[in-house]
Amino acid sequence: QKEVEQNSGPLSVPEGAIASLNCTYSDRGSQSFFWYRQYSGKSPELIMFIYSNGDKEDGRFTAQLNKASQYVSLLIRDSQPSDSATYLCAVISGYSSASKIIFGSGTRLSIRP
Amino acid sequence: DARVTQTPRHKVTEMGQEVTMRCQPILGHNTVFWYRQTMMQGLELLAYFRNRAPLDDSGMPKDRFSAEMPDATLATLKIQPSEPRDSAVYFCASGLQGVRPDTQYFGPGTRLTVL
Repeated sequence: QKEVEQNSGPLSVPEGAIASLNCTYSDRGSQSFFWYRQYSGKSPELIMFIYSNGDKEDGRFTAQLNKASQYVSLLIRDSQPSDSATYLCAVISGYSSASKIIFGSGTRLSIRP
Repeated sequence: DARVTQTPRHKVTEMGQEVTMRCQPILGHNTVFWYRQTMMQGLELLAYFRNRAPLDDSGMPKDRFSAEMPDATLATLKIQPSEPRDSAVYFCASGLQGVRPDTQYFGPGTRLTVL
């Protein structure tokens, strides 16, 4: 079992709809959760971070965290063609000096006009 | 606008040659990471440093790869000798451990092609 799992997609969503991206993680001690967006040929860029159970909203993006079920999701409202990219979920397990961020393999999102 | 910088952006070399990639982390960041990304494997962590000390290089092929951080403004990743299977995009990222968001900011990457 991978430490951080994502459906590779592609996930195709019509423009203006809500895109829902999901991620599960294996380590119950995980403390910090991130979503990165990566356009083709570019480097990953941070778009959301969340630490506590519940929802966190930032513009059209909402991150949802459920530690009991060990999943974190990203909702994109009013999807735009510019949202077409690969979305990487990342998790930090624990908070020791040696803790490190683990990335999922990413979900490819395609917004169709 | 603080950014991680990487050089070179592109490198084409022949099998057996030495390759050196350089990274300048964001000023003040105390952690530096090296990743390799391919279509097949996704983003793989090769090594990371905290306060210039290597913390984990278990993801790196030890016989040919080496990572160093000679000072706080420079991290290097060397491959010697290079092989075609090393062809990938190599990202450097830096972060500030202990301060939220305790995440990483990526450089633009070095696209390596080994012929």
